[in-house]
Amino acid sequence: AQSVTQLDSHVSVSEGTPVLLRCNYSSSYSPSLFWYVQHPNKGLQLLLKYTSAATLVKGINGFEAEFKKSETSFHLTKPSAHMSDAAEYFCVVSDPASGGYNKLIFGAGTRLAVHP
Amino acid sequence: GAGVSQSPSNKVTEKGKDVELRCDPISGHTALYWYRQSLGQGLEFLIYFQGNSAPDKSGLPSDRFSAERTGGSVSTLTIQRTQQEDSAVYLCASSRGDSSYNEQFFGPGTRLTVL
Repeated sequence: AQSVTQLDSHVSVSEGTPVLLRCNYSSSYSPSLFWYVQHPNKGLQLLLKYTSAATLVKGINGFEAEFKKSETSFHLTKPSAHMSDAAEYFCVVSDPASGGYNKLIFGAGTRLAVHP
Repeated sequence: GAGVSQSPSNKVTEKGKDVELRCDPISGHTALYWYRQSLGQGLEFLIYFQGNSAPDKSGLPSDRFSAERTGGSVSTLTIQRTQQEDSAVYLCASSRGDSSYNEQFFGPGTRLTVL
């Protein structure tokens, strides 16, 4: 079975400093991996996805993530945090179920706080 | 174009009552998913619809939960005899197809509170 572990439940950074949100996955095959963001009282929005193309994936709002198979990691980074980045971030792995469809397995989430 | 919409946005009900939650997927999306987001369990898959195929109900937590998708579009999630542990945000998502290459677009959710 597939699973996702987000190593930090809370991360706090100062505006303008780098962001690192850590994610490790467990998968018996080459997975599809995603990062979603959830702003307060808003729906989940896809930040980026890895689907076996380039291992370094660029997403929206300056975020990127690197797929490292040897480390089973898919950490999310951003060079310079903005106040508007404060939100909850979910690392997600797809789990092709027996019917072959794309069931998403979510990590527990990391709440990012950005301070002035 | 319009995104995934859900109604109501908030629902407060008494223990033991039945509730219906509605999801309008993006037009043309054949795949529809329901998820639940709660403090204790995080985000968990509930049920999946694809076209006219039989839905995968493997994520439904009990037989009090059921869902329908009429005409391949609108879906209704029904919870019978609600319990306090059913309190959560219920999220609906749709996608063009069911491949992992197809992004799932999420609605804003319905916050259910069972008193």
